[in-house]
Amino acid sequence: KNEVEQSPQNLTAQEGEFITINCSYSVGISALHWLQQHPGGGIVSLFMLSSGKKKHGRLIATINIQEKHSSLHITASHPRDSAVYICAVYYFGNEKLTFGTGTRLTIIP
Amino acid sequence: NAGVMQNPRHLVRRRGQEARLRCSPMKGHSHVYWYRQLPEEGLKFMVYLQKENIIDESGMPKERFSAEFPKEGPSILRIQQVVRGDSAAYFCASSPSGKGPLYGYTFGSGTRLTVV
Repeated sequence: KNEVEQSPQNLTAQEGEFITINCSYSVGISALHWLQQHPGGGIVSLFMLSSGKKKHGRLIATINIQEKHSSLHITASHPRDSAVYICAVYYFGNEKLTFGTGTRLTIIP
Repeated sequence: NAGVMQNPRHLVRRRGQEARLRCSPMKGHSHVYWYRQLPEEGLKFMVYLQKENIIDESGMPKERFSAEFPKEGPSILRIQQVVRGDSAAYFCASSPSGKGPLYGYTFGSGTRLTVV
């Protein structure tokens, strides 16, 4: 069982819809990352969170440390948002990221 | 300021050959992390290096794989006698200090290795 669980695995939505991707993890962490990967492309870091909420343009990331849960929201989704979104966590004393399996998002025009 | 540079972007090797993947970290970054993404699977940690030191290689397969980060030049991930199961995307990330995942990470564009 992966320590980092993402849902849904696949998500298809119409352009303009509000998107939510969820990430749950099993033990206490020091930081959580949301990453974006386009098909055949590199990995782009969207957010790094240790508490609360961050916003960048149409993207919002939240984290609830007590519930060991984070969400990535996309407002007014656009076809260019189509990508795989990956949640990754960092545990103190363990100098590496542990990744979820990703959510494949497709936005239809 | 160039980002993390990986080359080649695509690499094709026949079974039994050697593959060398290079990662040049961002300027001023002295910590490098290698990750592997197998087809239809998530990313998995392989190795964490500082200049001239391997700090954590707990994710490296025991045989055929090695990594180095010399004082001068890029970090190299070397796979000897490649097999079809080594086909994957290999990503590196760099950070200016330890605890990169906490203080800031930059990923490269990856090297896609295909073993035929």
